[in-house]
Amino acid sequence: QSALTQPASVSGSPGQSITISCTGTSSDVGGNNYVSWYQQHPGKAPKLMIFDVSDRPSGVSNRFSGSKSGNTASLTISGLQAEDEAVYYCSSYTSTSVLFGGGTKLTVL
Amino acid sequence: EVQLVESGGGLVQPGGSLKLSCAASGFTFSDSAIHWVRQASGKGLEWVGRIRSKPYNYATAYAASMKGRFTISRDDSKNTAYLQMISLKTEDTAVYYCTRRFCSSTNCYFAFNIWGQGTMVTVSS
Repeated sequence: QSALTQPASVSGSPGQSITISCTGTSSDVGGNNYVSWYQQHPGKAPKLMIFDVSDRPSGVSNRFSGSKSGNTASLTISGLQAEDEAVYYCSSYTSTSVLFGGGTKLTVL
Repeated sequence: EVQLVESGGGLVQPGGSLKLSCAASGFTFSDSAIHWVRQASGKGLEWVGRIRSKPYNYATAYAASMKGRFTISRDDSKNTAYLQMISLKTEDTAVYYCTRRFCSSTNCYFAFNIWGQGTMVTVSS
């Protein structure tokens, strides 16, 4: 199975909202609700931000939200803050494997 | 504190072997599946494989590109999982993370919230 497709980069100004897309197939993203999103700062391990398409773990800001339509999932970050600058990865958990997207570098201008 | 700590990384020649360890603490290791994920420098995350717990017969699964060269095992008495890598290639150079699924008090979800700090594997002559 191929990696999920994400844009290489997105940017936004503080206070604005951005959306990162994650496109897969009916065998992964579109086939269940096991889509998750991770934030990774340089030199650090990934941090879980969203699970089951749209749920947030305790402690994750409600500025982060997730959704899905067909084979494409999306992560929206509202009220951008400087500390949101990081690389974001989507992931899809299937019965046989786990797929990750290529990552999207978010720049807060 | 719930924690995973990887070790065993280092420099190895192409064609060589290496065994990584993932030591767990702060949770019931024997109940948990453990996954390995790698990340080449400046690149994205890549799932390596996983090992399930005893009730699931320690079933393993691997990414297609690593099947046959990588073997995941575990020793529940030592709260440790392992990743044995053979016939290593330069493209296996990466930081290797072990990780565990996110579990609340009532359910486990198909996402990872416990990650180790990673261990660096460099395959080079």
